[in-house]
Amino acid sequence: QKEVEQNSGPLSVPEGAIASLNCTYSDRGSQSFFWYRQYSGKSPELIMFIYSNGDKEDGRFTAQLNKASQYVSLLIRDSQPSDSATYLCAVIDGSARQLTFGSGTQLTVLP
Amino acid sequence: EAGVVQSPRYKIIEKKQPVAFWCNPISGHNTLYWYLQNLGQGPELLIRYENEEAVDDSQLPKDRFSAERLKGVDSTLKIQPAELGDSAVYLCASSPGQATDTQYFGPGTRLTVL
Repeated sequence: QKEVEQNSGPLSVPEGAIASLNCTYSDRGSQSFFWYRQYSGKSPELIMFIYSNGDKEDGRFTAQLNKASQYVSLLIRDSQPSDSATYLCAVIDGSARQLTFGSGTQLTVLP
Repeated sequence: EAGVVQSPRYKIIEKKQPVAFWCNPISGHNTLYWYLQNLGQGPELLIRYENEEAVDDSQLPKDRFSAERLKGVDSTLKIQPAELGDSAVYLCASSPGQATDTQYFGPGTRLTVL
């Protein structure tokens, strides 16, 4: 059973701080890694994807991937109250067949 | 560009009744997915289509669930008969082609079985 693990939270940070969201995965052959944001009652919305080891930045968001440690993270700089949502980590396994989601981390940014 | 369209958005039925959900993917997207999402959990794949072919239905409860994508565009997911435990959000997603492509989600159908 391929697994994607996330801290369920809730994680609370003050406005303007850096929010750090973490995810580990069990399939060492996993190829593609995604972060989705899901507001309450809404569907998942893609924030970023990353395929290679290292950092990938997009505006206030930075995804970090360490395949040796089977670890992927999402940093949100200058957090805003509008960033309050559940963040889902998702991984495509080594056989390139299935996207497996973690259970999500609930983030609250306090004004 | 229009996103993934799903209907209905909400459905309330009594147990043992049938129910159907419809999905229209993003234009040009060959791969279509149906997911189930329970409260507090991430989406779980039910079935994946590449064009008309169901290439991964290993997690579809085939005794009561069925799906079709006859012309390789729209898709329908059916439950018959529905059980109390089927109450969840049913999400449809699509991607351009390969299983490694980014998936884009529709708004979902929230099913309540009484």
